[in-house]
Formats: sequence, structure tokens, C-alpha cells
Amino acid sequence: IQLTQSPSSLSASVGDRVTITCRASQGISSYLAWYQQKPGKAPKLLIYAASTLQSGVPSRFSGSGSGTDFTLTISSLQPEDSATYYCQQLNNYPLTFGGGTKVEIK
Amino acid sequence: EVQLVESGGVLVQPGGSLRLSCAASGFTFSNYGMHWVRQAPGKGLEFVSAISNNGRSTYYANSVKGRVTISRDNSKNTLFLQMGSLRVEDMAVYFCARMGIGGDGYDYWGQGTLVTVSS
Repeated sequence: IQLTQSPSSLSASVGDRVTITCRASQGISSYLAWYQQKPGKAPKLLIYAASTLQSGVPSRFSGSGSGTDFTLTISSLQPEDSATYYCQQLNNYPLTFGGGTKVEIK
Repeated sequence: EVQLVESGGVLVQPGGSLRLSCAASGFTFSNYGMHWVRQAPGKGLEFVSAISNNGRSTYYANSVKGRVTISRDNSKNTLFLQMGSLRVEDMAVYFCARMGIGGDGYDYWGQGTLVTVSS
């Protein structure tokens, strides 16, 4: 299953609403997770089951979608949100990741 | 506190082999599926291999199938990845990751170990 993320990069201002999309090449129900990765660090789980916020993750992050189209939204971008974001499908093996979206702060 | 600590990353020549280890602590290791994920320099994340909590089920990416074997020792809380016939394109940081109980995502990751493949 291929995952296509868009955009591949974006630049936004603090306080902006940011949306990242992830499209699957076939239906994956809600078996989708989102991760945040900062340079030199391991990824961090933000969202699982497409829309469930992982414990400890700020509520400005949210996820939606099912089937083939998914979105990750940051409602009010903060400086610490500068990172690369990846989606991952867990519907079947081999598990796959999207290509990533690099979010920069203007 | 959950901890995953990888080791074994080295410089190896093309065609060579190595074994990565991931020492787990702070949780009941035998209750969780464990995975290896890699990241080539400047590139995205790539699933490599997975093993069920009891070791009976294993899964591999097409890119490594036949060259890699995942295993675990639940008595020693350790995950392994035996890699052979290494290629330049296998050069990456290798992370071990714990799959959440619901199978919904990796809730804990190690810091990664670097495998360099070069002559």
C-alpha cells in the first residue's frame, strides 16, 4: 500500500492552521498513524487509529479521515511544531510510511 | 520508564553481515510486538521487519526479504535483527520500536543505531 503525503514541505506562521494530507493507494479503514520527527531524534507518535490523540500530545493536533484520505491538522502552529511529519498505514504488512511533510516556521 | 536501546551498528563492507540488538526495559517485553524501522541519511522512514510478542509471526519489507532475520529473546528482553548480504542502500539509522497493544502505532522508539555500508 502506497501512502502519498502532501505537501512535501510548507512554511507557516505561528498561530496558523496547518493541514497535511495523506492518501492511501487502497482503502485502509482507520488503520493510520501520524508521527512527528525532529532532526536527530526518533519519531514520536501523535495520532493513532486516524483520529485518536496519543497521551501527552497537545490538543492542537488532530487527525481525521478513513478509507483512503486522511488529514493531520495543527490548529494553531507553535514554534516547537517545526518538524517532519509522517503518516503510516497499519492495515497490512508490509507496513508503509508516507514520504513526509517538513513544516517550517516563518 | 520504558527504554529501548539499540546497539550493533558498525561500518561494514558491501556483502557483509551484522547483528543489531535492542535491549528493552520498563515494560513486560513478552506482551508486545516489536519492529525495526530504518531511515537512510536525509530520507524518510521505512519499515524493515516485525515480530509478534511470542516470536511465532515475522514480517519483512520486500527490500530486505531473504537477507534479514528478526528474532527475540523474551527471557533477556532483547530484540535482534540479523542482516546479511548488505548493500549500500541498507545504510541507515535503524530504530527499534514497540508496537502499541492495539497494533495502532509505535508508542515507544529507541534512539537508533547507525549502519554504514561502504568499501
